[in-house]
Amino acid sequence: EPEVTQTPSHQVTQMGQEVILRCVPISNHLYFYWYRQILGQKVEFLVSFYNNEISEKSEIFDDQFSVERPDGSNFTLKIRSTKLEDSAMYFCASSPYSGNTIYFGEGSWLTVV
Amino acid sequence: AQSVSQHNHHVILSEAASLELGCNYSYGGTVNLFWYVQYPGQHLQLLLKYFSGDPLVKGIKGFEAEFIKSKFSFNLRKPSVQWSDTAEYFCAVISNFGNEKLTFGTGTRLTIIP
Repeated sequence: EPEVTQTPSHQVTQMGQEVILRCVPISNHLYFYWYRQILGQKVEFLVSFYNNEISEKSEIFDDQFSVERPDGSNFTLKIRSTKLEDSAMYFCASSPYSGNTIYFGEGSWLTVV
Repeated sequence: AQSVSQHNHHVILSEAASLELGCNYSYGGTVNLFWYVQYPGQHLQLLLKYFSGDPLVKGIKGFEAEFIKSKFSFNLRKPSVQWSDTAEYFCAVISNFGNEKLTFGTGTRLTIIP
């Protein structure tokens, strides 16, 4: 069964450093997402991406965050200058079309020290 | 804005007990509803979903959920739980009118005692 894949599975970074989290969504899906889950808290929506542009973003997704689909397969989340509070599990997800089932990757644990 | 409430934060059951986890949502329009499960150290996996039709939906591993529109509820049930059901369970809702944001509840941690 096709799945969403994410790299790295775990990254430790120093505060202020840039981080790029990578994702390969399911190949025929059109909608792509990033969610995050701070330890012990609920899963939170960050951003959705469709037709090569952001379609919706949450208040968490400030100027420090950006997303890109540099080629036909990868979907990246960049955090420009990480803060301690960015430590979380970041989930990439994709969906074939709007409102449909969203399939999640295994997540990338980001630890900012 | 849509929201999801899961009132049970932590549920502890013995094996073979019956399970019901509550989920209520708030949204003025038509929604699609999901239950996701997160086993320890793993990613979110889809348990079941409701889009339309029969309000009683069956998912994987013997789970089912019933959509009651009048109560804005989508409770998850399983008649007899197993130790391997120990996990975090998340109810989620998405509008089916072009809003791509999946809104999650706070999750219910289920611990099954052998």
